[in-house]
Amino acid sequence: DTAVSQTPKYLVTQMGNDKSIKCEQNLGHDTMYWYKQDSKKFLKIMFSYNNKELIINETVPNRFSPKSPDKAHLNLHINSLELGDSAVYFCASSRGSAARGEQPQHFGDGTRLSIL
Amino acid sequence: AQSVTQLDSHVSVSEGTPVLLRCNYSSSYSPSLFWYVQHPNKGLQLLLKYTSAATLVKGINGFEAEFKKSETSFHLTKPSAHMSDAAEYFCVVTSSNTGKLIFGQGTTLQVKP
Repeated sequence: DTAVSQTPKYLVTQMGNDKSIKCEQNLGHDTMYWYKQDSKKFLKIMFSYNNKELIINETVPNRFSPKSPDKAHLNLHINSLELGDSAVYFCASSRGSAARGEQPQHFGDGTRLSIL
Repeated sequence: AQSVTQLDSHVSVSEGTPVLLRCNYSSSYSPSLFWYVQHPNKGLQLLLKYTSAATLVKGINGFEAEFKKSETSFHLTKPSAHMSDAAEYFCVVTSSNTGKLIFGQGTTLQVKP
C-alpha cells in the first residue's frame, strides 16, 4: 500500500486554467504538507495542516488554496495557472504536530505540473 | 534563523569507493537534522535523522552521518558506493518554532561502474 499518494502524477495544462492536485495518506498522521520543487531541485514548503487546521502558510500567491476535508487528505487547488507554476509539487505527512520538528516526513512521489 | 548549506552540488564516485556528502548547518538552538534521498521521478525518502541523541547516526542502506556541533556539520558517509545510490541527496534542518523543514540545495551523487 502506498503511504502517501498523489494524483495526478503528471499534469499538463494551458496558462490561465484552474487545476487541483489531490493527496491522501494512510499512515494515520496528524500533519500534512505541500512542497514545491523548482527546476533546480530546490524544495520549499508551501503549506502545512495539522488535523485539518492550517499551521504553516508561506509566502505563496493566493491563487494557491489548500483544502483539508479530513486529516488524511490535503488537496491543492491552483487558479489562473501561470508559466512560473511549472514545478514538481510534493505532498508529505508526519506524526504529531508540525511544531515538534523532529518527526520525519513521508513524501508522495510528486505531481509534475507543466504549464504551456 | 536556521539554514543549511550543502557544500557540493555534484559528487562523482566509483562503485565500491567511499561516499562523502558534506552539509553545514546554522541554528540558534539544538537542531533536528535529517538526510533525505530522492531517486529520479520519486518522492523523498528518509535516510537518517539526528535529534540530540547519539552524535553518530546510522541510517538505511549503509549510510551514516555524524553530528559535530563544534564544526556545525552533519556530513553523510557510506563506506562503499553502490550503483543504486545514484540519486539526489538533501540535508535538512527543522525550524525551531514551526517545525518546518528547511532544505539544502541538494547534492547529486553519480556512481560510475
